Amino acid sequence: QITLKESGPTLVKPTETLMLTCTFSGFSLNTSGVGVGWIRQPPGKALEWLALIFWDGDKRYSPSLKNRLTVTKDTSKNQVVLTMTNMDPVDTATFYCAHSRPSGYISTGYYGWHFDFWGRGTPVSVSS
Amino acid sequence: SYELTQPPSVSVSPGQTARITCSGDALPEKYVYWYQQKSGQAPVLVTYDDKKRPSGIPERFFGSSSGTMATLTISGAQVEDEADYYCYSTDSDGDLWVFGGGTKLTVL
Repeated sequence: QITLKESGPTLVKPTETLMLTCTFSGFSLNTSGVGVGWIRQPPGKALEWLALIFWDGDKRYSPSLKNRLTVTKDTSKNQVVLTMTNMDPVDTATFYCAHSRPSGYISTGYYGWHFDFWGRGTPVSVSS
Repeated sequence: SYELTQPPSVSVSPGQTARITCSGDALPEKYVYWYQQKSGQAPVLVTYDDKKRPSGIPERFFGSSSGTMATLTISGAQVEDEADYYCYSTDSDGDLWVFGGGTKLTVL
């Protein structure tokens, strides 16, 4: 049974750095073809893809936020950490982490990465 | 950048068929995934690889894709299907993952 849970501060001040931890169980981020991603959702708005880290250490970031995001993994603790710098009130959102798996594998590698299990999300407000 | 376009809202009566569309330039070559998000809850995957259904998802949820448009069809929509629905896919290079803007489905 795959489960994920996000944790971190619920309130940060403008210009501060946000650090969120995703603690998961039921899978290993050492296993080929496994990833963990981060998604956020401002109140009343759409989902926004943020970042993805793969079993082999490869990482992908949203181009619009790439300069502010860092994602790391600690496989011994079954955790993935998301760091977002220079927080602003427009970054107020619920942040989700999710297990990612590919749809298949071809000669060029895995394809069709998508999220199949999600955490419940953690709300983060940015205010002075 | 890459965008997936969805209608903001769709409304049907219980028992009717609801169709939610998602358009994107790379959809002819990339799979689309659909997520259901009920109020205050995390998203749930309802279809993947254009038209497959995860275990536990009712058969009334059906995904399809043709050309630059994908469609989530809910046959015989029920009141409990009322939710926001998001499509998800990648650009043609497969390096940029995006969600659509979401469609609010009302069943009443």
